[in-house]
Amino acid sequence: TQLLEQSPQFLSIQEGENLTVYCNSSSVFSSLQWYRQEPGEGPVLLVTVVTGGEVKKLKRLTFQFGDARKDSSLHITAAQPGDTGLYLCAGLNSGGSNYKLTFGKGTLLTVNP
Amino acid sequence: EAQVTQNPRYLITVTGKKLTVTCSQNMNHEYMSWYRQDPGLGLRQIYYSMNVEVTDKGDVPEGYKVSRKEKRNFPLILESPSPNQTSLYFCASRGVSFGYEQYFGPGTRLTVT
Repeated sequence: TQLLEQSPQFLSIQEGENLTVYCNSSSVFSSLQWYRQEPGEGPVLLVTVVTGGEVKKLKRLTFQFGDARKDSSLHITAAQPGDTGLYLCAGLNSGGSNYKLTFGKGTLLTVNP
Repeated sequence: EAQVTQNPRYLITVTGKKLTVTCSQNMNHEYMSWYRQDPGLGLRQIYYSMNVEVTDKGDVPEGYKVSRKEKRNFPLILESPSPNQTSLYFCASRGVSFGYEQYFGPGTRLTVT
């Protein structure tokens, strides 16, 4: 079973601070996705990274896929209260059935005004 | 508007009383999945379907059934619900595009007493 470990599990910061959350695995994934989930709603895709070493930016969010495609990070610059939510990483299997996403348990981010 | 719909959104039932949670998507997606989300355990896949009449078990299939008679619908059936199936359930769908973006429904909060 492929596992994705996310850290930290909880993060509470003040508006304007920077933060990084991590997603690590001992397994290789063909691609990795980051989702954000707000209370009472389903997760919404933020980004997909495919190539080892790839960096993608989405406004104040920067996503990086590790060179070995086993880990990823999400960096938020100047966090805002609207960034509050549960951030989930999900890896797509590189072998076997390629229809399954494996999710990490998430990082619950709270940005205080 | 592209969306995944689930019904009901909230359900309280008693042990042993069969229930069905419906899921429908309007994006003509081939792949559909059911997940349950529990505190400390994250999102876990229950069943998935690659197309009509093609389904397979996910990580936690025990106590659940699914069917895929039409491309747009993927109902989740609990033949004899038990309290340990109290959870937040999400249906999701995605197409064959390279980004494998998965669209989630709004969730069904199920309580089994």
